[in-house]
Amino acid sequence: DVKVTQSSRYLVKRTGEKVFLECVQDMDHENMFWYRQDPGLGLRLIYFSYDVKMKEKGDIPEGYSVSREKKERFSLILESASTNQTSMYLCASSFTGFNQPQHFGDGTRLSIL
Amino acid sequence: DQQVKQNSPSLSVQEGRISILNCDYTNSMFDYFLWYKKYPAEGPTFLISISSIKDKNEDGRFTVFLNKSAKHLSLHIVPSQPGDSAVYFCAATHGFGNEKLTFGTGTRLTIIP
Repeated sequence: DVKVTQSSRYLVKRTGEKVFLECVQDMDHENMFWYRQDPGLGLRLIYFSYDVKMKEKGDIPEGYSVSREKKERFSLILESASTNQTSMYLCASSFTGFNQPQHFGDGTRLSIL
Repeated sequence: DQQVKQNSPSLSVQEGRISILNCDYTNSMFDYFLWYKKYPAEGPTFLISISSIKDKNEDGRFTVFLNKSAKHLSLHIVPSQPGDSAVYFCAATHGFGNEKLTFGTGTRLTIIP
């Protein structure tokens, strides 16, 4: 079974802090993704990566950056956390190719105070 | 600009009856559609998908129907079971190798015993 592991289930940080969310997958997937989930808005793509050191902006990249130094690990960075970044963050991974479903981690509930 | 819409935020169905979840899309370039199921405190899990070259795909109790002319898809669950109570997201993508999914806002399905 595919395992996508997010480092924290719950995280509380202060405004202005630099925040790191970590994600690791064990299936040798080429692609990795970061989403945020908010009530009434569904899942929105922040960034994705299709290879080590490669990244592409999703629909809402402002205020975020990412890092992918190893194939199995994809980090989301909030450069200077703000209260409007309080959300559920979900990491996913998939193989490249047509019709490859994404596999998700259990999410990190991040609260910015 | 919500390209994938789930207009019913919630749905309640009696156990044993049919559940029908609906999804509309606006982008005519979408050619692959997926349904994900999400329990509280867990990440979404892939349920079923359909390519635009088909109008129906079936997997056990789950059937997805695609009406390209109406830009509409639906998920049928027959018979509905209490374990089906969850939030269901539809998602869409286009192009070979384009793994970037656009998600709907979700429908919370409650199965009444």
